[in-house]
Amino acid sequence: EADIYQTPRYLVIGTGKKITLECSQTMGHDKMYWYQQDPGMELHLIHYSYGVNSTEKGDLSSESTVSRIRTEHFPLTLESARPSHTSQYLCASSEGTGGVQYFGPGTRLTVT
Amino acid sequence: QKEVEQNSGPLSVPEGAIASLNCTYSDRVSQSFFWYRQYSGKSPELIMSIYSNGDKEDGRFTAQLNKASQYVSLLIRDSQPSDSATYLCAVNTGGFKTIFGAGTRLFVKA
Repeated sequence: EADIYQTPRYLVIGTGKKITLECSQTMGHDKMYWYQQDPGMELHLIHYSYGVNSTEKGDLSSESTVSRIRTEHFPLTLESARPSHTSQYLCASSEGTGGVQYFGPGTRLTVT
Repeated sequence: QKEVEQNSGPLSVPEGAIASLNCTYSDRVSQSFFWYRQYSGKSPELIMSIYSNGDKEDGRFTAQLNKASQYVSLLIRDSQPSDSATYLCAVNTGGFKTIFGAGTRLFVKA
């Protein structure tokens, strides 16, 4: 069973607020990912990390930022939330390249 | 053309039948292939991984890979209502990034 955690699970917040979505894994995986998924739609990679102090933007343009100061922790921050950010955010991690990705339970964000 | 294509469905099968899910991919150098199951409102969970041509069986699930034809399939035998979910095909070319298909919705009727 994958040990990857996300908090909060649900968040309703007003426009313009700064928010940080937390993601932690206890498997020691080097690779970590953030995906955005709207209901019934496909996953879109928004950020990924090869390891500590290594982060890259994914395919989907996002106004969010990430950091990777510790191997196990990969938080995502929105400086100023907007209704267009309403979505589900999924964090994942994997060992090595080409390996299985293990997903956290997700954070469902609603911006009013 | 999408890099990983799946029929969105829904695919509806009666309980006890075999469900067959298909996926095609565009990058010939793809090396790793995965099937994930995603229940509504939940996160994806791995069902099967397959790396070489042929069949791989795990319980009621069989993954089939044909690299020459660039397709991957998933067979679910003795389908149960609890199998009703969206099934995501995912392909990795050997780098960090795995490409996910949009998924096929499966309904198993009791």
